[in-house]
Amino acid sequence: EDQVTQSPEALRLQEGESSSLNCSYTVSGLRGLFWYRQDPGKGPEFLFTLYSAGEEKEKERLKATLTKKESFLHITAPKPEDSATYLCAVRLNRDDKIIFGKGTRLHILP
Amino acid sequence: DARVTQTPRHKVTEMGQEVTMRCQPILGHNTVFWYRQTMMQGLELLAYFRNRAPLDDSGMPKDRFSAEMPDATLATLKIQPSEPRDSAVYFCASGPGGDEQFFGPGTRLTVL
Repeated sequence: EDQVTQSPEALRLQEGESSSLNCSYTVSGLRGLFWYRQDPGKGPEFLFTLYSAGEEKEKERLKATLTKKESFLHITAPKPEDSATYLCAVRLNRDDKIIFGKGTRLHILP
Repeated sequence: DARVTQTPRHKVTEMGQEVTMRCQPILGHNTVFWYRQTMMQGLELLAYFRNRAPLDDSGMPKDRFSAEMPDATLATLKIQPSEPRDSAVYFCASGPGGDEQFFGPGTRLTVL
């Protein structure tokens, strides 16, 4: 069965304390892996797409990496405004289906 | 600033009633997606369209849900009859044809 699992479910960090969020996947044929940010009461906001193992993408304090089994979202020196739920999703080759993980709720303390 | 718009933003209805949710995709986008988000299940893909043609609706309960795109500026999601387990936030997203998706603000549906 195709699955996407994100860990941890929730993470509290002090401002400036770098960390990583994990997205592990077991799918039959990955077309692409996506990271989104979702603020309370809003729709997800697209961050990155990764297509092949070894690929990396960066945006401000965020860097996403991809291996054959998982993806990491690294947050460097986070600020309180980085607090949000971060969602990972995969798109499958065989039928274009999109599967989301349950997300990681990130809280950055000032 | 181009955005996906959804109406209504909130809907409270009684079990058995018909519910229609509307989405206006970003002008020029040719893919439209409908999602449902709940605390228990997270975000689930219900259906998606490319160039107004339905490509996949396997995530939808077929007996009560239907999704259509009457024209390029309007996508609709209907539930008839609605049930309490349909209570969720429903998101529409559109995309320019690749994998990037732009989400709307969602419709929060409560079925009593």
